[in-house]
Amino acid sequence: ETGVTQSPTHLIKTRGQQVTLRCSSQSGHNTVSWYQQALGQGPQFIFQYYREEENGRGNFPPRFSGLQFPNYSSELNVNALELDDSALYLCASSLANRAGELFFGEGSRLTVL
Amino acid sequence: AQKITQTQPGMFVQEKEAVTLDCTYDTSDPSYGLFWYKQPSSGEMIFLIYQGSYDQQNATEGRYSLNFQKARKSANLVISASQLGDSAMYFCAMREDLYNAGNMLTFGGGTRLMVKP
Repeated sequence: ETGVTQSPTHLIKTRGQQVTLRCSSQSGHNTVSWYQQALGQGPQFIFQYYREEENGRGNFPPRFSGLQFPNYSSELNVNALELDDSALYLCASSLANRAGELFFGEGSRLTVL
Repeated sequence: AQKITQTQPGMFVQEKEAVTLDCTYDTSDPSYGLFWYKQPSSGEMIFLIYQGSYDQQNATEGRYSLNFQKARKSANLVISASQLGDSAMYFCAMREDLYNAGNMLTFGGGTRLMVKP
């Protein structure tokens, strides 16, 4: 186990709704990032947070937003859900500016109907 | 252009045999890191091995080794003595601007490895 926990593990929403996914980082890790993994594809970087601020973003629209809290836990919020948002959402934590592994959680599987 | 290319969508290997999973990458950044992750059906990405662009020797971690050929921009994963539990998706990933880019990894499309008893 990596020590990174995500909730919920599965959820179903309908188009237009909003969703919040949560991530608890591994103890001591101050950087968290989120990835979207569509079925049959590799994960794609959404954004990362360091010291409660977004400091890197992939090619995702503004309706994907996030928060990082003082205890380094994090949320991913997606507004105005679209069918293509159906995916596995993975959270990863690490120490800032350290080359090496990221620790991933098991993900939250979102289905948009 | 794809930054990470994995050309083998699926592979079979006999239990106890070795297998090589291919990965080629594209970057002009001199400082980068290459990663391999295993993803079982549970969904969690499990870190296997890491190779930095300045590392002189190929990385090894137990039964996993990374065949790093910098001039050819390839970073193939070799799994020795395959086990049934190795059946999973395997992803190659790269992080550029190694000490400043934080956690942004670029992943390939993955290879599904199936180990036959």
